[in-house]
Amino acid sequence: GAGVSQTPSNKVTEKGKYVELRCDPISGHTALYWYRQSLGQGPEFLIYFQGTGAADDSGLPNDRFFAVRPEGSVSTLKIQRTERGDSAVYLCASSFAGSVNTGELFFGEGSRLTVL
Amino acid sequence: GENVEQHPSTLSVQEGDSAVIKCTYSDSASNYFPWYKQELGKRPQLIIDIRSNVGEKKDQRIAVTLNKTAKHFSLHITETQPEDSAVYFCAASKGGSQGNLIFGKGTKLSVKP
Repeated sequence: GAGVSQTPSNKVTEKGKYVELRCDPISGHTALYWYRQSLGQGPEFLIYFQGTGAADDSGLPNDRFFAVRPEGSVSTLKIQRTERGDSAVYLCASSFAGSVNTGELFFGEGSRLTVL
Repeated sequence: GENVEQHPSTLSVQEGDSAVIKCTYSDSASNYFPWYKQELGKRPQLIIDIRSNVGEKKDQRIAVTLNKTAKHFSLHITETQPEDSAVYFCAASKGGSQGNLIFGKGTKLSVKP
């Protein structure tokens, strides 16, 4: 596709349930990022992949959060035992890492997660 | 780790006036400073960026200045238009392959016709 694609666009779940959010980056982009954005706040860094490996996962809030990118393209953010405080828009972004001209991140539209 | 502070949180200007948004960062190793615009319900989109080897960059009505010594950078929008109304985020990053971006909390800009 032309842009970063995220599914689902909206997810409503109950406290304690397991959730998966998917991100399909721009073709050829080696770097992939997950951010979380709460209402009225800036995007909060969660994890960053270079290829298949997590280059920096220091933003993951606790061990309920996990992300994978097994083939270096699509990534899945997994949240176990969801809590109401996990409600937010989860943004995925990709970039052509290593570009000397721009480090622009291209964001998806986000997945809005609501935990009841 | 890096911490980015952004001010003001809200800014209201009359159409045609200038708007200035300021950010400070804590990590002197940061070397890439982009600005993103986010319209209501939309994704953040890059509007301008600056690297630490330059002090100012302009693109039509938008300019960004960087003071490495003071660790602050600013966004300047001249001749504001109603379509400039949005939330603007500054961010900072370090590392040759960009690394992760740390964002400020955002400034809601309202341009009144």
